[in-house]
Amino acid sequence: EAGVAQSPRYKIIEKRQSVAFWCNPISGHATLYWYQQILGQGPKLLIQFQNNGVVDDSQLPKDRFSAERLKGVDSTLKIQPAKLEDSAVYLCASTLVTVSGNTIYFGEGSWLTVV
Amino acid sequence: GEDVEQSLFLSVREGDSSVINCTYTDSSSTYLYWYKQEPGAGLQLLTYIFSNMDMKQDQRLTVLLNKKDKHLSLRIADTQTGDSAIYFCAVDILTGGGNKLTFGTGTQLKVEL
Repeated sequence: EAGVAQSPRYKIIEKRQSVAFWCNPISGHATLYWYQQILGQGPKLLIQFQNNGVVDDSQLPKDRFSAERLKGVDSTLKIQPAKLEDSAVYLCASTLVTVSGNTIYFGEGSWLTVV
Repeated sequence: GEDVEQSLFLSVREGDSSVINCTYTDSSSTYLYWYKQEPGAGLQLLTYIFSNMDMKQDQRLTVLLNKKDKHLSLRIADTQTGDSAIYFCAVDILTGGGNKLTFGTGTQLKVEL
């Protein structure tokens, strides 16, 4: 079974530039998450989708971050304009809830450095 | 909101057992997870436990859950140098909007020869 795919893996941009990250979840997983992980910290939820609808975006800095999942499959996360403090790993995850459990799988992450 | 805490560092000798601890605040947690993160890599799901269980064993890994004290632990038997990584505890809460994972700050495990 293919895992959660993310691209690009690494990106370096200057502050005030824009960047976009792409995620393709595991096939059939209805729920998709974007997490931000700053160095030395645990991941923090930015936004959660159920199919193509937003379930929770309470911690998404909406003045500069946006995300969409138009067809309920892959998703993009955009930052515009980027700030130095946005340097982090952006992790995409997906999950399928079954009677035997709820397992959440993460991609390898997109590593962003803002200079 | 949910608060999940872990100690920052743990150092053990190869072959010993490692115990990584985690405390959380929300008693309505449904699933509790342990993830492993190696340098430059994403999060690898190690194991998880449902909240109505108090123990789960999976090869070298043993998860203990004390719901009364809101305490979760991960024991790694016969720790190897390949186990050196950051281990994250994560608590899953079912809300009206679906499942939400809250992570601890991570425990860096260093295995010495």
